[in-house]
Amino acid sequence: EDQVTQSPEALRLQEGESSSLNCSYTVSGLRGLFWYRQDPGKGPEFLFTLYSAGEEKEKERLKATLTKKESFLHITAPKPEDSATYLCAVQATSGTYKYIFGTGTRLKVLA
Amino acid sequence: SAVISQKPSRDICQRGTSLTIQCQVDSQVTMMFWYRQQPGQSLTLIATANQGSEATYESGFVIDKFPISRPNLTFSTLTVSNMSPEDSSIYLCSVADRGRNDGYTFGSGTRLTVV
Repeated sequence: EDQVTQSPEALRLQEGESSSLNCSYTVSGLRGLFWYRQDPGKGPEFLFTLYSAGEEKEKERLKATLTKKESFLHITAPKPEDSATYLCAVQATSGTYKYIFGTGTRLKVLA
Repeated sequence: SAVISQKPSRDICQRGTSLTIQCQVDSQVTMMFWYRQQPGQSLTLIATANQGSEATYESGFVIDKFPISRPNLTFSTLTVSNMSPEDSSIYLCSVADRGRNDGYTFGSGTRLTVV
């Protein structure tokens, strides 16, 4: 069964304290892995798509990487405005467009 | 990228009643998706709405409980019928946004509380 597991569930960082969020996945064939940011009271906001192991994407203080079993979202020198829930999702190559989401990591960055 | 307007943003409803959620997109899209996000849980796909055809429902979701309309390529509604407290959740619509490397654009969500 296709599955996505994110860890940790919650993370508190001091401003400037770099860290990584993990997304482990099990899927019959990976079409793409997606990272989203979700602020309270809002829908998820697209960040990155990764398609193959070894691929990396960067946006400001965020960098996403992908291996055959997991993805990491690295946050470098975070700021309070980076506080949000970060969601990971995968799409399989099984012929559907369906996303399988993880439960997310709630990140709080303290000033 | 597509812009989605979803309403209402929140509502408190009595059990046994129904609520219709609207989703308007600023561009024509083939497929629109409806998700449910329960507290502490991941997003779960309810159904996919294609214009001009019946919606396709995921396992565990049925048309009688979650009827969907898709009258044109920019609009869809999801109705939550005969509500119970277990239906309290956030409901989100989304569309595929090809300009974002297959990423999806989501509406801001409808926070539903059933009392």
